[in-house]
Amino acid sequence: DQQVKQNSPSLSVQEGRISILNCDYTNSMFDYFLWYKKYPAEGPTFLISISSIKDKNEDGRFTVFLNKSAKHLSLHIVPSQPGDSAVYFCAAVTNAGKSTFGDGTTLTVKP
Amino acid sequence: DAGVIQSPRHEVTEMGQEVTLRCKPISGHDYLFWYRQTMMRGLELLIYFNNNVPIDDSGMPEDRFSAKMPNASFSTLKIQPSEPRDSAVYFCASSPRLAGYEQYFGPGTRLTVT
Repeated sequence: DQQVKQNSPSLSVQEGRISILNCDYTNSMFDYFLWYKKYPAEGPTFLISISSIKDKNEDGRFTVFLNKSAKHLSLHIVPSQPGDSAVYFCAAVTNAGKSTFGDGTTLTVKP
Repeated sequence: DAGVIQSPRHEVTEMGQEVTLRCKPISGHDYLFWYRQTMMRGLELLIYFNNNVPIDDSGMPEDRFSAKMPNASFSTLKIQPSEPRDSAVYFCASSPRLAGYEQYFGPGTRLTVT
């Protein structure tokens, strides 16, 4: 049973437009949600997080939205830049600290 | 800080051989995690330590896998004997806190077992 799902394996957007990456989860015990970005041959790097008691968190061009009733979160990148091209993972964390990752979405931003 | 350091970056070995992967976490981080990434299973948590003590090893696939953290600056993940299905990228990550805090990942070790 996959508790965290990223249903879109890939996404392609034009530079300057909005990128929306989605993530669904099944376990209502998750307390925190994080987004990581990964470039080839590197480890994932932290991007932005949100607590389950909030519905939005913003950091520059990146905004994460959480809909607890739908068990859904999304990452918005506005405006998208070619350097944003990478694999994006969402991760859900229980209050015991155990992280579960989605399979990732490959974002391609075209110049 | 140099970040999380992993060695080797690439390892190719024959089935049946022992493999040891190494990790140096960021200084001051009390938590250390070992992950495995494969095409089939994605990024999965194998084990994590708090202050050098293993807390949750429920993700370790079988007895062929073992992990140790003899001190705050060093951890190993050992596979003995290795099998072709162990081929994957193994990541080590560290964090100063547990719940809700981001983890800092190393560059990974790409393991190929032939």
